[in-house]
Amino acid sequence: AQKVTQAQTEISVVEKEDVTLDCVYETRDTTYYLFWYKQPPSGELVFLIRRNSFDEQNEISGRYSWNFQKSTSSFNFTITASQVVDSAVYFCALIPDSSYKLIFGSGTRLLVRP
Amino acid sequence: SAVISQKPSRDICQRGTSLTIQCQVDSQVTMMFWYRQQPGQSLTLIATANQGSEATYESGFVIDKFPISRPNLTFSTLTVSNMSPEDSSIYLCSVEEGLAGETDTQYFGPGTRLTVL
Repeated sequence: AQKVTQAQTEISVVEKEDVTLDCVYETRDTTYYLFWYKQPPSGELVFLIRRNSFDEQNEISGRYSWNFQKSTSSFNFTITASQVVDSAVYFCALIPDSSYKLIFGSGTRLLVRP
Repeated sequence: SAVISQKPSRDICQRGTSLTIQCQVDSQVTMMFWYRQQPGQSLTLIATANQGSEATYESGFVIDKFPISRPNLTFSTLTVSNMSPEDSSIYLCSVEEGLAGETDTQYFGPGTRLTVL
């Protein structure tokens, strides 16, 4: 099976808290690509990051960081010192090398309260 | 990344009518995609819009209901035909960009929010 699971449906935090969004994927391909997208209330889908399966280096971009662990098939996303503007639905997605199609998780709604 | 625009940004339509959504990209792209996002749900791929040939539809989506045009490498349209309230969704187009020989990243347009009464 090829699938992405985001078990957290909704998370609510207070501003300045750190928050981690979980993503677990399944694929039979040895080469694959993982993505995170942000969907604010306005509805557009904003690309955040792409990670290739052969590159297990973690990445940090400002307050955002991503932890890719092939051993547990996880690609988790952490926001440090969250802000109200981080409130959005976040989608994790997968493209197996055998397909060009994006497989989306169900999304995690993050609410950051002032 | 490419700049993608969609028209209209939102619309309210009566059941039984049809709506055509336009997707314009500021550069030539090979692959364009159309997605549907029903309220509170994730994104579902409707079809891949191929330039110069018929679109490739995913299971559960048919050409009669969602005809797609792709007249050139920068433009595509999706029509939602004979609409019912169940068609109320956000419709998004996306394009692929990346390095030659590598699986590309998909970038999305701003979406069209459709409400069918």
